[in-house]
Amino acid sequence: AQKVTQAQTEISVVEKEDVTLDCVYETRDTTYYLFWYKQPPSGELVFLIRRNSFDEQNEISGRYSWNFQKSTSSFNFTITASQVVDSAVYFCALSGIIQGAQKLVFGQGTRLTINP
Amino acid sequence: NAGVMQNPRHLVRRRGQEARLRCSPMKGHSHVYWYRQLPEEGLKFMVYLQKENIIDESGMPKERFSAEFPKEGPSILRIQQVVRGDSAAYFCASSPTGENTGELFFGEGSRLTVL
Repeated sequence: AQKVTQAQTEISVVEKEDVTLDCVYETRDTTYYLFWYKQPPSGELVFLIRRNSFDEQNEISGRYSWNFQKSTSSFNFTITASQVVDSAVYFCALSGIIQGAQKLVFGQGTRLTINP
Repeated sequence: NAGVMQNPRHLVRRRGQEARLRCSPMKGHSHVYWYRQLPEEGLKFMVYLQKENIIDESGMPKERFSAEFPKEGPSILRIQQVVRGDSAAYFCASSPTGENTGELFFGEGSRLTVL
């Protein structure tokens, strides 16, 4: 079965602190994709990153960085020098072939609040 | 830039009415997926369609919900006789193929409120 676990339901930090959002996944697929999405209060899903299971290189994009560890089935997301605009719900997701169809399995989300 | 277009963005219905949500996939995409996000929860898969075919509806409630993706026009998610528990955000995604390429693009969602 495919499963994504985001153990942190809510995180609250003060602006400029670094914060890491955890994501652990389970899959039997040998090829899969991992995603992070941001859902701001306005409700839309904002795509942040897609990572192929064969590519374990960490990625940095501005203040955002992602740490993919296949050995521990984790795909953690770090925001450096957080800002109030980073406040949102963040979802980790796994894409695989389930019953013949490409599907995304989402975690429950982590609500991140950045306080000024 | 024609991304995945969903409308309406917000829909209010009274109990017992029908709700129709529309999704136009990205240009060149022939695979459409519907996901539902209940309040304070993650997104859950509902149905996967190709043109004129429902491929996988394992996530759809057995009653009152239906989906279609006609040869011409948008995909439609239809909810008959809505109840308060149907209040949720409904997201549509599209992909160019059914293979697991990770190319999946989401619309902005349609928020249904049932009074």
